[in-house]
Amino acid sequence: AQSVSQHNHHVILSEAASLELGCNYSYGGTVNLFWYVQYPGQHLQLLLKYFSGDPLVKGIKGFEAEFIKSKFSFNLRKPSVQWSDTAEYFCAVNARGNTGKLIFGQGTTLQVKP
Amino acid sequence: NAGVTQTPKFRILKIGQSMTLQCTQDMNHNYMYWYRQDPGMGLKLIYYSVGAGITDKGEVPNGYNVSRSTTEDFPLRLELAAPSQTSVYFCASSYKDNTEAFFGQGTRLTVV
Repeated sequence: AQSVSQHNHHVILSEAASLELGCNYSYGGTVNLFWYVQYPGQHLQLLLKYFSGDPLVKGIKGFEAEFIKSKFSFNLRKPSVQWSDTAEYFCAVNARGNTGKLIFGQGTTLQVKP
Repeated sequence: NAGVTQTPKFRILKIGQSMTLQCTQDMNHNYMYWYRQDPGMGLKLIYYSVGAGITDKGEVPNGYNVSRSTTEDFPLRLELAAPSQTSVYFCASSYKDNTEAFFGQGTRLTVV
């Protein structure tokens, strides 16, 4: 069965610090990979996605993620966080060609101190 | 752009009551989904649909029912509410395989 694991449940950073959130998945076939963000009181919004091609993908608001197939990982990075990045971050995968059903990680709460 | 619209935003139910969470999308997406979000658990798939008239169970379907009579609408029905169904419910849609999903604003449901 597919599963997604996010290593950090709660991260606290100061503004301008660098961010890396870990995500590993378990699945034997081809997957699509996503990072979603949920700002307080809001719905999930797509940060970035990987379907194929360049394994380094860039998303909105300066976020990027790297797909490392050999490690089954899709870690999220940002060189310099801002207070407005305070949110919950979800890694998600779906199996290619399988109706788009998403499997989510547990989520990481990021708190950025001004 | 309306996108995915869910109603209501908040609801308190008593144990044993029933209700329908409404979801509609105006993007002509074929696929629609219902997820529930519990603290520290991420989102879990309840039911999904690949087109009008076609629905299937997800990971946590017990206690819920769905229907998909039109492309736009995908209501979620709770027949006998239980405290374990206290959660935040998100509806989502996507155009087809290998495309991103768009989420609604969520419905926060409390069963007391």
